[in-house]
This record gives sequence, C-alpha cells and structure tokens, in this order.
Amino acid sequence: EDQVTQSPEALRLQEGESSSLNCSYTVSGLRGLFWYRQDPGKGPEFLFTLYSAGEEKEKERLKATLTKKESFLHITAPKPEDSATYLCAVRAGNNRKLIWGLGTSLAVNP
Amino acid sequence: DAMVIQNPRYQVTQFGKPVTLSCSQTLNHNVMYWYQQKSSQAPKLLFHYYDKDFNNEADTPDNFQSRRPNTSFCFLDIRSPGLGDAAMYLCATSRDLETQYFGPGTRLLVL
Repeated sequence: EDQVTQSPEALRLQEGESSSLNCSYTVSGLRGLFWYRQDPGKGPEFLFTLYSAGEEKEKERLKATLTKKESFLHITAPKPEDSATYLCAVRAGNNRKLIWGLGTSLAVNP
Repeated sequence: DAMVIQNPRYQVTQFGKPVTLSCSQTLNHNVMYWYQQKSSQAPKLLFHYYDKDFNNEADTPDNFQSRRPNTSFCFLDIRSPGLGDAAMYLCATSRDLETQYFGPGTRLLVL
C-alpha cells in the first residue's frame, strides 16, 4: 500500500538552530514529491516539487532533497516566522490523487 | 498576481441548510480540486475536475456535489450539512497533474 510518513510530528527549535524534517515514502513509481507550508487557518502554500532521486531545491532558509526512499526539508538558521506545519505529499503511478503525510508542526522560539 | 481565490473565508450555516462555497482561479489551470481538512489532519480529496471531466472519490458522501461552469470557477455544494461537515474546505488547481496550488480555504461552521 502506498504510504507517506513524516517525522517528527512536532519540533521545537530555538531561533538559529538548524534542523531537518523527514518525509519517507513507499510508493510504486514516484511521479513527484511536494512540500507545502501551512499556517493555522490558511491553505497550504507550495514550497517545492522534486521528481527524481538526487534532486535538490532551495528557497531562502529552506532546502529540500530527495532519495529513493525519503525526502528531507532542511531549515537553516530558522526564524520565528518559519513556525508552521510542513506537509509532504506524493503522486505515484497513474494516480491523480496525492498521498499526504500528517505533517510536522514546527515552532521556532525567539 | 495569479492566484486561487475562495469565497467566503468563513461560512456559518445551520444543520441541514444547503450551502455553496466558491473557488476561482487566474492561473488558467485545467484541473481543479476540492479538499476537506479537519483539525490536525491531512487534506482529504473530495473530487476534482480534469478539464470538464468530473472525478468523484469513492468515499465522498453523496451530500457533497460540485459544479464547474467554466475554466475559472468551481463550486462546492453541501446539500444538507451535518455537524461532522464542519471543517476547512480547500480549493486547489494544477496544470494537468503537476504541482497543486491552494487557495486560502473556507472555514465552515455548522450550528
């Protein structure tokens, strides 16, 4: 069964303390892995799309990487405004439907 | 800026009273999706339109219907809302099956 698992469920960091969020997946035929950021009461905001193992993408303090089994979202020197829930989703095979993880809730303390 | 717009942002309805949520987009994407999201859960796909082709998820209750009168607009109709339908409703769009872009959501409260 296709599955996406995110860890940790929650993470609390001090401002400036770098860390990584994990998204592991077991699917047949990866067609794309998507990272989103979601603030409370708002819709998910697109961050990155990764298609193949070895691919990396960066945006400001965030960097996403992909292997054949998992993706990492690295946060370098986070700021309080990076506090949000980070969601990972995967499209696989001929499915139009995304498979979602449950998210990592990140809190960055000043 | 190209975007996905949802109206209203907050909707209060009474138990059993029909409600319609709307979504519009300026991205000119051919696929539009409706999701339901409850607290601390991942978004749950209700249905999507691929061009004019309507695709309903097997576990979407019959109470939920959708209309897409043109490329830019899509509506979610809840015919007889129950207390369990209180949630955030998210509209998303994509070009074919590429990255999905979400609107800000409509928070539905059922009294």
